[in-house]
Amino acid sequence: GENVEQHPSTLSVQEGDSAVIKCTYSDSASNYFPWYKQELGKRPQLIIDIRSNVGEKKDQRIAVTLNKTAKHFSLHITETQPEDSAVYFCAAKSRDMRFGAGTRLTVKP
Amino acid sequence: DGGITQSPKYLFRKEGQNVTLSCEQNLNHDAMYWYRQDPGQGLRLIYYSQIVNDFQKGDIAEGYSVSREKKESFPLTVTSAQKNPTAFYLCASSYIPGGVGTEAFFGQGTRLTVV
Repeated sequence: GENVEQHPSTLSVQEGDSAVIKCTYSDSASNYFPWYKQELGKRPQLIIDIRSNVGEKKDQRIAVTLNKTAKHFSLHITETQPEDSAVYFCAAKSRDMRFGAGTRLTVKP
Repeated sequence: DGGITQSPKYLFRKEGQNVTLSCEQNLNHDAMYWYRQDPGQGLRLIYYSQIVNDFQKGDIAEGYSVSREKKESFPLTVTSAQKNPTAFYLCASSYIPGGVGTEAFFGQGTRLTVV
């Protein structure tokens, strides 16, 4: 089955800096790559996603890039704010949906 | 009000007991999933189902069982064979148009504690 690896496990940045989280996947049949944000004690919420026929997608301060050849995709958050602090998960979907281990992002004011 | 609902929110189980976690969705989604989340850990797939009366094991299916008798329901039973069941359990569902995956919506989770 699919194997998703996510790095780094923790990330601390100053408010206003950029944050980058990277994921790799193993199943070339995966065609959908969402990113979720999970705040403490809450359910994961989708923040952005990308399909395999697209190389990049942007939504305000958040962008995702996909390199199908290398089987990796990345989340970019610009102008970070303290409310961006949370755990972020990447995922890859073929027949099922597998998640990375998560990145705990801390944005220091 | 559309969505995916898990119940109960908190569940306590005595050792040796089976317990069933409920997951219901009224989004008309085809696929449903169960994940386990341990403190500070990611989401590990237990079982998933893409169609009624069919389901597949994920990475950590041992000690768990599921059924998919109705499209909207995907209950998870944690059996006594699961040696370390204390965790946060998340159910999710998604629509699968033409085989291309779409966003998975999560329930609010069930926190299971063995006492």
